[in-house]
Amino acid sequence: DAKTTQPTSMDCAEGRAANLPCNHSTISGNEYVYWYRQIHSQGPQYIIHGLKNNETNEMASLIITEDRKSSTLILPHATLRDTAVYYCIVRVVENQGGKLIFGQGTELSVKP
Amino acid sequence: DAGITQSPRHKVTETGTPVTLRCHQTENHRYMYWYRQDPGHGLRLIHYSYGVKDTDKGEVSDGYSVSRSKTEDFLLTLESATSSQTSVYFCAIISSTMNTEAFFGQGTRLTVV
Repeated sequence: DAKTTQPTSMDCAEGRAANLPCNHSTISGNEYVYWYRQIHSQGPQYIIHGLKNNETNEMASLIITEDRKSSTLILPHATLRDTAVYYCIVRVVENQGGKLIFGQGTELSVKP
Repeated sequence: DAGITQSPRHKVTETGTPVTLRCHQTENHRYMYWYRQDPGHGLRLIHYSYGVKDTDKGEVSDGYSVSRSKTEDFLLTLESATSSQTSVYFCAIISSTMNTEAFFGQGTRLTVV
């Protein structure tokens, strides 16, 4: 399974962009990059995913490098409610399904 | 929440007793997962299922078994609970499309005393 590495923690000022990096240097060609976040003790929540092109939705943008070995999740205008643990995951496909293996994630603190 | 329900939400049990946690879904999703979450370890995959009676081990499967006799239910059993299995357990589903996101349940807090 491809592994991901993320910084343990980051701070961001409210209203500024939060840029969360992820390294996935062993990613395979058919594996997608997914981002989730977990607020307090709730179940993780899907944010965005991509294969090779940059993606944007109402929550965030995902920038994947051309060699696909790393990506960055961008929260364009962070709010206090974006304080959470953010997980970068590479989707492994087996048996027409797949595992979701989570790393340690990045604890993002958005400060006033 | 993709129609996911975990039960019970909280449970306290004694060491050595069997415990079964249930994950129930109402939308006929094929793939279901059980995770545990402990401080300092993030989410760790215990077992997963890709269909009725089709299951496989995850990262931390020792001491756990699962069963999926119906599409809608994925059961996690601790045959003989130990204090090291005190944790928060999350169930997740993914629909059949390869690149579809996962949805998680609200979690079950299990304490083994």
